[in-house]
Amino acid sequence: DIQMTQSPSTLSASVGDRVTITCRASQSISSWLAWYQQKPGKAPKLLIYRASRLESGVPSRFSGSGSGTEFTLTISSLQPDDFATYYCQQHNSYSLTFGGGTKVEIK
Amino acid sequence: EVQLVESGGGLVQPGGSLTLSCAASGFTFSSYWMSWVRQAPGKGLEWVANIKQDGSEKYYVDSVKGRFTISRDNAKNSLYLQMNSLRAEDTAVYYCARRSAAGTVFDHWGQGTLVTVSS
Repeated sequence: DIQMTQSPSTLSASVGDRVTITCRASQSISSWLAWYQQKPGKAPKLLIYRASRLESGVPSRFSGSGSGTEFTLTISSLQPDDFATYYCQQHNSYSLTFGGGTKVEIK
Repeated sequence: EVQLVESGGGLVQPGGSLTLSCAASGFTFSSYWMSWVRQAPGKGLEWVANIKQDGSEKYYVDSVKGRFTISRDNAKNSLYLQMNSLRAEDTAVYYCARRSAAGTVFDHWGQGTLVTVSS
């Protein structure tokens, strides 16, 4: 199975900060990488798929980049609603795997 | 509006069985792959199983193969997960999720149902 590793596991930031989260795959997954946001007690929400395609309705301050084994999620200007946990997910194979998550906390 | 509503969770003893259901509405259920994704308490997300639109293809994470069965009833707009030989490590919130037409990602999720395996 393809292993997904996210860093950092926790990130402290302030409103207005530019935030970057990294996700690494154990083997090349081309651009088959998605990002989700999850708030406590809620289901995840799809933000980005195919590494850089923004899901409908997602604010443009979210962006994704990368290919192969290294990917990033960037929030250009952190908003109060963005404090949450973020997960990457590879969708290169039938056996789907998620990263361990990155919790974005208020500094 | 797309809605996915899970039910059937609860407390079950190790070795026991449970069937989860997911009622779908607001979209053409028979046109989409569907999935189950779980999340152990305080942990990350784990994909569990996928099923094709007509039920002809099914895929499972290795840890549940031979114990869990995913199925669907398109006439009832419903998705199911039959779970047998349950273990403590199966304790989790189980989410029903719709697979996006854009690929094997999940564009709509239910609210989740908690399964607790404990004696």
